Amino acid sequence: NAGVTQTPKFQVLKTGQSMTLQCAQDMNHEYMSWYRQDPGMGLRLIHYSVGAGITDQGEVPNGYNVSRSTTEDFPLRLLSAAPSQTSVYFCASSSRAYEQYFGPGTRLTVT
Amino acid sequence: RKEVEQDPGPFNVPEGATVAFNCTYSNSASQSFFWYRQDCRKEPKLLMSVYSSGNEDGRFTAQLNRASQYISLLIRDSKLSDSATYLCVVDSYTGTASKLTFGTGTRLQVTL
Repeated sequence: NAGVTQTPKFQVLKTGQSMTLQCAQDMNHEYMSWYRQDPGMGLRLIHYSVGAGITDQGEVPNGYNVSRSTTEDFPLRLLSAAPSQTSVYFCASSSRAYEQYFGPGTRLTVT
Repeated sequence: RKEVEQDPGPFNVPEGATVAFNCTYSNSASQSFFWYRQDCRKEPKLLMSVYSSGNEDGRFTAQLNRASQYISLLIRDSKLSDSATYLCVVDSYTGTASKLTFGTGTRLQVTL
C-alpha cells in the first residue's frame, strides 16, 4: 500500500515551459486535491476533485489545469511556467475532505 | 485579516516542558477543526481533530472555543521528536464541498 505518490520529487523549469506533475493514490479515495506551499503563506488549494470526471477550482487556480479520468490519478498541468509558480506542490487524497493524506511533495523551481 | 492565524514561532522549549499553541479563525461558519504536523521538508500529517468538548490523545490536548473563534493545542512532557511545525486547519463547507484552510504553522523546537 503506497498511499499517495507524486512524481517528480524535484523539477527545474524555464519560464514558458509546460509540464505535468503526477499524483496517484491506491486507497480508493474519492476526494483528491492539489496544494502549493510557499514560505509565510501556508498551504493553498489549487484545484480539487470529488470524484472521477469532477474537478473544481480552489483558491489559486490560475496557470494550472487538472483532470480526473480515474479514481487513482489526479495530474496537475502547468501550462506556461512562471517564476511565481516556484513552490512546493502537494497532492492529497481522502475519503472525507478533512482526513487528508498527503504525498511527499514536488519541489518546483522556475527560472 | 487571514482566515486562519497562527504565531509562527519558533517556540524553543526544553525536553519535558509543556507548550501551548493557539490559532484563531475568522469564519464563524467553520465547522471542523484539525491540527496537522509537518516535519522539515516533509508532507503534513493529521495529528488530531478538535472537538467542541475538547479531546486528548496521549500527551496532546486540543481545545476549541467557538465563541472566541480560537483553537489550541497543548503538548505535555515535550519530546525531542515533537520538534516540527504544527498547522492549524479549519474546514468550511462551501455548499458543494468542504474547504480546508491551513494556517501558516507554528514551529516547535524541543531541546535537551
